[in-house]
This record gives sequence, C-alpha cells and structure tokens, in this order.
Amino acid sequence: SQTIHQWPATLVQPVGSPLSLECTVEGTSNPNLYWYRQAAGRGLQLLFYSIGIDQISSEVPQNLSASRPQDRQFILSSKKLLLSDSGFYLCAWSVRQGGSGNTIYFGEGSWLTVV
Amino acid sequence: GQNIDQPTEMTATEGAIVQINCTYQTSGFNGLFWYQQHAGEAPTFLSYNVLDGLEEKGRFSSFLSRSKGYSYLLLKELQMKDSASYLCAVMDMGRRALTFGSGTRLQVQP
Repeated sequence: SQTIHQWPATLVQPVGSPLSLECTVEGTSNPNLYWYRQAAGRGLQLLFYSIGIDQISSEVPQNLSASRPQDRQFILSSKKLLLSDSGFYLCAWSVRQGGSGNTIYFGEGSWLTVV
Repeated sequence: GQNIDQPTEMTATEGAIVQINCTYQTSGFNGLFWYQQHAGEAPTFLSYNVLDGLEEKGRFSSFLSRSKGYSYLLLKELQMKDSASYLCAVMDMGRRALTFGSGTRLQVQP
C-alpha cells in the first residue's frame, strides 16, 4: 500500500530564517505531488504541484519554492521566512494516471509558526 | 478560474441526518471530492463524484448535479466523532490539482 510521510511535524522559526519541509511517498511510482497550505481557520491553498521531476508548477507567487530531487520526494523551501508564512503545510500525492479522478491523499502535515 | 461555496458552520444532533451543500463554478469540470478534516489533522478522503447522481458509502453519501454546479454530502446516524470540517473540492480538466472550498465546520451535539 502507498504511504506518505512529511517532516518535521512542528517547527517554530524566526522571521528571516530559512525553511525546508520534506515529503516522501512510498509504494507508488511517478506520482503527482503537491504542497498545500492552510492558514488558521481557512481553506486549503495550493502552493505547488509536480507531475514529474523538473516539472513543478507554482500557483501563488511568494517567497516559497519547491523542488523534486527524486521521483517520490518533494521539498518545500524558503530562504527568508515571513510572519505570513505561518500555517499548516500539507504534502499530498495522487496517481499519475488515476482512475478515481486523481484522488489526492495527504500527509500528516507540518505546523509552522514564524515568530 | 474556480469558485466554490459551502456554509461556514452547521450544528446537528447525535443520531440525526445532516446535509452539507456545495456549489461550484469551474471552466472544465473533472470531478468533485469531499474530505473530512478533524481539528489539527490532515484531511482524509471521503467521496468522489464525476457523474450525476448519488454515491453511497456507509453512513456517508454524496450527490452531484453537474448542470447545476451543485453537490451535497449527506451524513446519517450522526456520531460525536463526526464533528469535523468537511471540505468540498473540484478538479478541472486543465489541472491535476484540487481547488478546495473553505470548508464547513460541523458540530454534533448530544
């Protein structure tokens, strides 16, 4: 069966510091990969999605970036965090050519507080 | 672009039935999804509709009308553990990612 893991689960970072969130999917090949963010009390905002290595689409211009160094690894980064970057970050995956309309499955999430 | 609307909050009684509505506008519809999210946790997949009609899965059912841009999630025999946010999401033809509504926070009372 497929599993998705992301880490760290919780982090507190000062304004201006760098960020790296990592996500790995196991049990599948060539998945679509996603980063979403959920601000407190709000809906899920799509940040990045990737249909393959070196194929990453950015949905919202901001100080975050994403990379996919391996087929099943997705990394979210920032060089300098802002207070507004605080939130719940969710990595997710779906089957590349999915049957059920590409159902998206989420990792456990990472809580980021920028202070 | 896409626009998804659902009520912000609902309250229901344990053992009752509740219907959570979702309306959407999209340029190229390719499926509607419902997720459950408990406070502080990641969303979990509940149901998927791509054709008109009702999909039933145990206590949960989801309905879709593509011509009306409308869906609902029906929860029967409510339990306290059903207290959570319910997220409606749409996938369009041109993208391989879901756009989510803001979610409906359901509070189940004894």
